This record gives sequence, C-alpha cells and structure tokens, in this order.
Amino acid sequence: DIQMTQSPSSLSASVGDRVTITCQASEDISDYLHWYQQIPGKAPTLLISDASKLESGVPSRFSGSGSGTEFTFTINSLQPEDIATYYCQHYDNPRYTFGPGTKVEIK
Amino acid sequence: DVQLVESGGGLVRPGESRRLSCAVSGFSVSSTYVSWVRQAPGKGLEWVSVVNSGGTTYYADSVKGRFTTSRESSKNTVYLQMNSLRVEDTAIYYCARGEGVLHSWGQGTLVAVSS
Repeated sequence: DIQMTQSPSSLSASVGDRVTITCQASEDISDYLHWYQQIPGKAPTLLISDASKLESGVPSRFSGSGSGTEFTFTINSLQPEDIATYYCQHYDNPRYTFGPGTKVEIK
Repeated sequence: DVQLVESGGGLVRPGESRRLSCAVSGFSVSSTYVSWVRQAPGKGLEWVSVVNSGGTTYYADSVKGRFTTSRESSKNTVYLQMNSLRVEDTAIYYCARGEGVLHSWGQGTLVAVSS
C-alpha cells in the first residue's frame, strides 16, 4: 500500500506570510495528489486536484506543485480565514489514502 | 447544486449496529463514486468505503467484514450499515462524491460507541 506523509505536522505563521506544506508518497504516484482544507468544526473541502489544479472559487493565493513522490502546497499570503488543517490525498484504486494533516495557525 | 446530507448517527453500545444514510441531490448516486470517510475525535481523515458507478463496493481493512455500503437509486441515497461496532469506530462519518478525488462532502454525522 502507498503511504502518505506530510510535514510539518503543525506550523504557526503571521498574516501575510508564505506557508509551505510538503506531502511525500512512498512510491511514484505521478500527479495523482489532491489537497483539502478542513476548517475547525467543518467538513473538508477540495482545494487542489491533480497536484496543481486549483478548484473553481478557490483563492489564487493557494497553489500546489510536484509530481512523483514529492509535492508542495503553498499559501502565498496567509489570511486569518486560512486557519485550518490541510490534508493531501492519493487514490490507489480502490483506496483513498490521506496524509496525516498539517495544522496551520496564526502567530 | 450538489449536496450530500448524512444522517443516522448517535450513541451506540459496543457490539451494536447502526445504519447511516447519505442523501444526495444534484447528481445520481448510480452515476459516480460515493465514499464514506471518517474522522475520530482530534484525529485525521480515514477512508472507510466506496461504492463505484458500477455498484461494486470496497472497504478499508479496519472495517472489512463489519461494514456494508449500499445504494438505493430510487431514493438517491447511499447507506453505511455498521455492525459489531467498537469503541474505536467512534468518529464523525462523512460521505463524499468523486472518483479518485473527493469533490463534494456532506457535513458529517457523529457516531459515538460507548458502554
């Protein structure tokens, strides 16, 4: 089974900072990697699919990159409403595997 | 508009059963994949099961043999039948739509397993 890891597990940054989260797959997954945001007390929402495709309506300060085993999720200018836990996810038919999550807080 | 609404959660005793429902609108449950994903208190997301467009179901090892996913096209609803519940099954259960990527999620329903 493919394993997903994320780093860091949590981070604290100031409003306006650039925030970067890394997701690593245990083997080559091409660009089949998706990113979700989960605001406290809410259901997850899809932000980025296929490593870098921004979902409709998602602010452009969010971006994703990478392929193979290393992926990066970036928030270009952190806003107070971005306080959430971010998860990467891979689909290895038929299983959906999530990373452990990265909790983003405001300093 | 796509909408998924879970129901059926509550407090159950270990060993008991519970059936969750995921009523959808804006798409047909028989035309796409619908998954169940759970989140234990304070923990991350764990995929539980999926029913694909062909009606085939798959399960995580942690629930295989205990949980059964089904769908009822006439009601546009997907069900998660949970048997032999354990304390470690305590979680918010979400249903979500998508093949490979989970585009839309419900608000979740809490299942608490405790004696």
